Amino acid sequence: ETGVTQTPRHLVMGMTNKKSLKCEQHLGHNAMYWYKQSAKKPLELMFVYSLEERVENNSVPSRFSPECPNSSHLFLHLHTLQPEDSALYLCASSVVGGGGEQYFGPGTRLTVT
Amino acid sequence: GDSVTQMEGPVTLSEEAFLTINCTYTATGYPSLFWYVQYPGEGLQLLLKATKADDKGSNKGFEATYRKETTSFHLEKGSVQVSDSAVYFCAPSDYKLSFGAGTTVTVRA
Repeated sequence: ETGVTQTPRHLVMGMTNKKSLKCEQHLGHNAMYWYKQSAKKPLELMFVYSLEERVENNSVPSRFSPECPNSSHLFLHLHTLQPEDSALYLCASSVVGGGGEQYFGPGTRLTVT
Repeated sequence: GDSVTQMEGPVTLSEEAFLTINCTYTATGYPSLFWYVQYPGEGLQLLLKATKADDKGSNKGFEATYRKETTSFHLEKGSVQVSDSAVYFCAPSDYKLSFGAGTTVTVRA
């Protein structure tokens, strides 16, 4: 595997389900990000982890819970979601103090029914 | 934080036409500037970047020049192909990226 991978690529879940999104980066980076991309809205930064510590949480509802067990892996735990949470969830990684560029995974297309 | 204003789309072009997507930003410092591209069904890919004033980033026939005096970073390509159909995002970065709304470009054969 190369770059940033995300699983699953597609997920359909009911509002009472609990599921997790997984992201893995194979680039040797030490910062990781979760973004939400909804139709006709700008990309929304949700969480930032730097050196495995959460450094940013942009007023994300508690039904989204991130976890970063090491610098290569990032999870987004989902529970009691709402239909408006349906979106493409993108993971990205970068080097702390690097040139600023981030490398993105292909995303997980989430549908909440 | 930084913010960006990007030309609204959608933009529809014929093959071999000239493409320009305008991007202006506001920033307190001197951010690095990026263009990302998102092809259908995929994540964002870094297209090009520039890190200081007057730098020109280029990749795949696309170019953009860091203009500090006009706080702009317009994307250009001289002859587009159908495969350039995608959504393009301008993003300044001081310590994190600030994305524009994206411009959808469709190139017709």
